[in-house]
Amino acid sequence: KAGVTQTPRYLIKTRGQQVTLSCSPISGHRSVSWYQQTPGQGLQFLFEYFSETQRNKGNFPGRFSGRQFSNSRSEMNVSTLELGDSALYLCASSLDRGRTGDTQYFGPGTRLTVL
Amino acid sequence: AQTVTQSQPEMSVQEAETVTLSCTYDTSESNYYLFWYKQPPSRQMILVIRQEAYKQQNATENRFSVNFQKAAKSFSLKISDSQLGDTAMYFCAFMKRETSGSRLTFGEGTQLTVNP
Repeated sequence: KAGVTQTPRYLIKTRGQQVTLSCSPISGHRSVSWYQQTPGQGLQFLFEYFSETQRNKGNFPGRFSGRQFSNSRSEMNVSTLELGDSALYLCASSLDRGRTGDTQYFGPGTRLTVL
Repeated sequence: AQTVTQSQPEMSVQEAETVTLSCTYDTSESNYYLFWYKQPPSRQMILVIRQEAYKQQNATENRFSVNFQKAAKSFSLKISDSQLGDTAMYFCAFMKRETSGSRLTFGEGTQLTVNP
């Protein structure tokens, strides 16, 4: 079974631009979560989607948004990019069979650099 | 809010030896899950082991085992017979049991280097 895939793997943008990152979960997985990883702040939870609905949200400004499609694929969008948005963005999927605690499996990440 | 603390930013071990990585957490929850993930230089986050808080038995996965002390809120990872491929950043993570949804709270990480 294929793992979690993320596209693109690398991205360079300039301040003020917007960016969209994509994540395809493991086949059959219904929950998709997004995390931001930076040297200063470590790994931080952005949001989680399940059945096309945002189910959990971390403490990030409204410039960070996401969505999930009917096939469970997810996208996250960052508008008005700032230098501090430079990070590795990780997507994780889980089976979510109606119970919590399902293990999250991660994709390879998208490295975003904001110049 | 839950917090996870890994007090060892860096550790090193000789190949074939045993090493233990420490993790403590703070929570008022009684039902939760704990994980260890490794992140090698490729940056791919890989699950190492998982522990359910209601299970008293420590989880094991081949050369990896945990020492889960619920009262002390401690969750250490022991790697036996260390291999060069174990070189990675190791993250301890907490997930509380919620009625819906889930999120991982990560520690700061421990960089483990296995030396030949």
